[in-house]
This record gives sequence, structure tokens and C-alpha cells, in this order.
Amino acid sequence: EAQVTQNPRYLITVTGKKLTVTCSQNMNHEYMSWYRQDPGLGLRQIYYSMNVEVTDKGDVPEGYKVSRKEKRNFPLILESPSPNQTSLYFCASRRTGQGNSQPQHFGDGTRLSIL
Amino acid sequence: DQQVKQNSPSLSVQEGRISILNCDYTNSMFDYFLWYKKYPAEGPTFLISISSIKDKNEDGRFTVFLNKSAKHLSLHIVPSQPGDSAVYFCAARHSGNTPLVFGKGTRLSVIA
Repeated sequence: EAQVTQNPRYLITVTGKKLTVTCSQNMNHEYMSWYRQDPGLGLRQIYYSMNVEVTDKGDVPEGYKVSRKEKRNFPLILESPSPNQTSLYFCASRRTGQGNSQPQHFGDGTRLSIL
Repeated sequence: DQQVKQNSPSLSVQEGRISILNCDYTNSMFDYFLWYKKYPAEGPTFLISISSIKDKNEDGRFTVFLNKSAKHLSLHIVPSQPGDSAVYFCAARHSGNTPLVFGKGTRLSVIA
């Protein structure tokens, strides 16, 4: 089954304790991205990656890091989490090429609470 | 500066009637538009899209209309069903594999 898998689905942690949210896709997609969803703000992009070893900042990259060492994985790293990073996070992937008409496939989300 | 705007946070429609969700954009470079549907505790799922070379795209009960001169698109659902109750996000991007820009979403409630 084609899917984007995020782990963990839920995490409560404390300020300053480094954490990583993993994202894996089994569709051989080149493009992957991370979003956060906050009430009244919709989905905002944090980082994206066009392919292996190619990453770029989205709209709200501060406080986050990513890496793309393999095509299928795109972890989101919070080196020193703070309470304003409490949010619902989504990973997504899609094909590139074939023009512009490739929709993104989303994971089921990771709810992070930073105390 | 919000490039994709969904000005209605919520919409209630009776079962069997038409639901119309609206979206406005400001960036004239956008040439590909999508609608996503999101249920609680799940990720957004792709619903329907339209390229800027078209003004209408239809898929079953779902139709998307694009008015480029007004920088406006709309999603029509007819007939609406209770299972359509969800948050709907409008999104857009321009060519060159650029990132998607999302609106804030509209919560649709279809009342039986």
C-alpha cells in the first residue's frame, strides 16, 4: 500500500530536549516536505526537499532541521524544542516531473506538545 | 502576506444540496491549484486539481472552477453527503516544482 508514515504519532516532551520525527514514503517520490498545522493558520511549510541531499527552507523553518540522506526518508529534527513548536506536523511526498500536476500525499500527522 | 485565502472558516449545508467552497489567490504566477480534504486525526487527502489552462475540472460529485481574471477558484460538491463533512484546504503553486501554498481551510458540515 502506497503511504507516507510518520513516527511518533503523539509526543509530549519538555523544552530543550532534542527530538526527531521520522517520515518515510514507499512510493519512490523525489519531493518530500514538512508542514505544521496550527489553529487559524492552516498548513505552513517548514522545509522541503527536491531530492536526496537537496533541502530548502519553507515559510517557517526557524527552530527546525531536516536531512535527506535517502530518497525514502525525511526526518524532522528539533534540536532544542520550545513551547511555540507545539503543533500538529505533517510530512508529505510527491513525484516531480510530468509537468506540474503531481498532488502531494500526506502522512497521518504527529502531534507534538512541548512543555 | 497570505497568497491563498479561504475567507469562510466554516460552512453548513443540508444533505443533498450543493456545497460551494471558495478560494482566492493573489500570486498571478500560480498555475496549478488543488483541493485537499482533511478528517480529524488523519492527514489531508488529495481531492481534485486544476491547471491554469482549464477553467473547469470535474470528478464525480466534485467540480473545481477556476476564474483566472478574478484569481478565484471554487469547489462544488453536489449532492453533499454527511461523509463530506471535513476541513477543505485550497492550495496553489507555480511551475518549477515550487512548494505548495495552502489556505487556512474551511470546515464543511453536511447536516442530515
